[in-house]
Amino acid sequence: DARVTQTPRHKVTEMGQEVTMRCQPILGHNTVFWYRQTMMQGLELLAYFRNRAPLDDSGMPKDRFSAEMPDATLATLKIQPSEPRDSAVYFCASGLVRWREEGNEQFFGPGTRLTVL
Amino acid sequence: KNEVEQSPQNLTAQEGEFITINCSYSVGISALHWLQQHPGGGIVSLFMLSSGKKKHGRLIATINIQEKHSSLHITASHPRDSAVYICAVSDPGNQFYFGTGTSLTVIP
Repeated sequence: DARVTQTPRHKVTEMGQEVTMRCQPILGHNTVFWYRQTMMQGLELLAYFRNRAPLDDSGMPKDRFSAEMPDATLATLKIQPSEPRDSAVYFCASGLVRWREEGNEQFFGPGTRLTVL
Repeated sequence: KNEVEQSPQNLTAQEGEFITINCSYSVGISALHWLQQHPGGGIVSLFMLSSGKKKHGRLIATINIQEKHSSLHITASHPRDSAVYICAVSDPGNQFYFGTGTSLTVIP
């Protein structure tokens, strides 16, 4: 049963600390998305990778957020330093795109609930 | 202005009723997505479509590209359908835009 996994599921940290969230996409998928969901803003796209290359990270605050894919089985989202306004649920999703303009069906991970005190 | 508008925001229905959730968008798209988020928080992709109609069990999604409108229908609704339904569109550059969601409650 292939699924996207995310760790940790919950994280509570203090302001100023570094937070790293990890995502394992479904094997064979070539796209990975990071989303943030808050009550106020709803779902927002933070970053998008295709074949491990970042295609779009315009939704991400660059000064403190960074997203990488060190290999095809791992995507990371890092916040340094974290702030209380970063408190949200962070979702990772993966999908398979066969040609450039094709829409991308996505499979979502369970999310990481981050609380920054 | 939101690129994706959903209606209604909240919907309560009796079990067995036919339900329609609407989504209008203002950008050129490569695909439209319907997502379901359960009370526990998990998100499931229900449909991805770029034309016509798709059906999966009691769920039907339609899209009218000319009118930039999509509908999600649930036939014979059930309490387990209670969830937030989110419409999202992706443009040819794979930029995503999300609606604010429709919160559905189906009462037994």
